[in-house]
Amino acid sequence: KQEVTQIPAALSVPEGENLVLNCSFTDSAIYNLQWFRQDPGKGLTSLLLIQSSQREQTSGRLNASLDKSSGRSTLYIAASQPGDSATYLCAVRKNTGFQKLVFGTGTRLLVSP
Amino acid sequence: KAGVTQTPRYLIKTRGQQVTLSCSPISGHRSVSWYQQTPGQGLQFLFEYFSETQRNKGNFPGRFSGRQFSNSRSEMNVSTLELGDSALYLCASSGDWTQETQYFGPGTRLLVL
Repeated sequence: KQEVTQIPAALSVPEGENLVLNCSFTDSAIYNLQWFRQDPGKGLTSLLLIQSSQREQTSGRLNASLDKSSGRSTLYIAASQPGDSATYLCAVRKNTGFQKLVFGTGTRLLVSP
Repeated sequence: KAGVTQTPRYLIKTRGQQVTLSCSPISGHRSVSWYQQTPGQGLQFLFEYFSETQRNKGNFPGRFSGRQFSNSRSEMNVSTLELGDSALYLCASSGDWTQETQYFGPGTRLLVL
């Protein structure tokens, strides 16, 4: 059974810092991995998706990497801003053709001005 | 394109009642998945529908059921509500087998008293 863990559970940083969020999964047989952002009481916004054959994806100040063999992914946020404050979730998808995602426990990020 | 919409956004029910939640996917998307989010268990997969057929089901009791209509809109029903069913219910849509990213709606917050 796939288990996804995110460390740290919470993180507080001053504005402008670069930071790394970690995601680990127990079964390396994944199809892809997605990073989401969730604002309080809201739905999920997709940030980046990495296919199992890829090593990293970038979007603006965000960079996500994937090391499938070791069961790890990281989300790097450059020059953090107060608007980045949210909960960040990673999710893995096992099979093509089935959309089931297994979500991590989330990292709650607070960026202070 | 309009995003994923969910109705109602908030709902209060009492134990023993039943509830029906609705999800309208992005136009042209044929896959709809449902998730339950609680503080204790995080995000858990309920079921996935594709072209009116249930393709995958999570580990939830039979009180949780769903369906999908020919226009891809989906409903989920929870019968004999329990206090533990209080949660944010999220639905996500995607295109087809090759559509990778899942787009989430804002969720329906259900409170069972």
